[in-house]
Amino acid sequence: SQQGEEDPQALSIQEGENATMNCSYKTSINNLQWYRQNSGRGLVHLILIRSNEREKHSGRLRVTLDTSKKSSSLLITASRAADTASYFCATDHGTSGSRLTFGEGTQLTVNP
Amino acid sequence: AAGVIQSPRHLIKEKRETATLKCYPIPRHDTVYWYQQGPGQDPQFLISFYEKMQSDKGSIPDRFSAQQFSDYHSELNMSSLELGDSALYFCASRVAGTSYEQYFGPGTRLTVT
Repeated sequence: SQQGEEDPQALSIQEGENATMNCSYKTSINNLQWYRQNSGRGLVHLILIRSNEREKHSGRLRVTLDTSKKSSSLLITASRAADTASYFCATDHGTSGSRLTFGEGTQLTVNP
Repeated sequence: AAGVIQSPRHLIKEKRETATLKCYPIPRHDTVYWYQQGPGQDPQFLISFYEKMQSDKGSIPDRFSAQQFSDYHSELNMSSLELGDSALYFCASRVAGTSYEQYFGPGTRLTVT
């Protein structure tokens, strides 16, 4: 990945537990987004946090952003087996066209 | 709700052949993006179009070209295919100026043999 690293690369938890994934990036951003991808399928947008925001919630999702550390975290609470997927952070640097630069992704496995 | 449509969903080509991937954005979306995702890798931006004009260019090989047509659908043309071109190719669309969220299609899986 050109920029953006995620850790852990793989995470295995039991249903009902919380899952936390972290993402780091290298240059200034306009916003940071999290996407979910089921195996070999399309990416689904989960949540967006702007550069002037520090925390955002959506259902069981909580995203934090620390622009001073150039990092973000995604917390999924009360995980379900259906949450099993790869999760990617993607940064939008506000350049022409607003391309997304993806991190390397975290493979989350939620065991029933 | 209408989603991004990509065709074909699967494509098998031999080395040095050409391939054309098509993308139909969500109605009224004016911006289209193409991404390439190799096996076990993150998606990499290739190229984007806004109102039928190229708006941004990423790590797209010279063997690839793309365009957006008057009905806003886009095509990615790939020539002299190489084994390393085997990947998932995603198209995404959005409405510029309203939301930064991109809506992704299901992807085209290209296998080069």
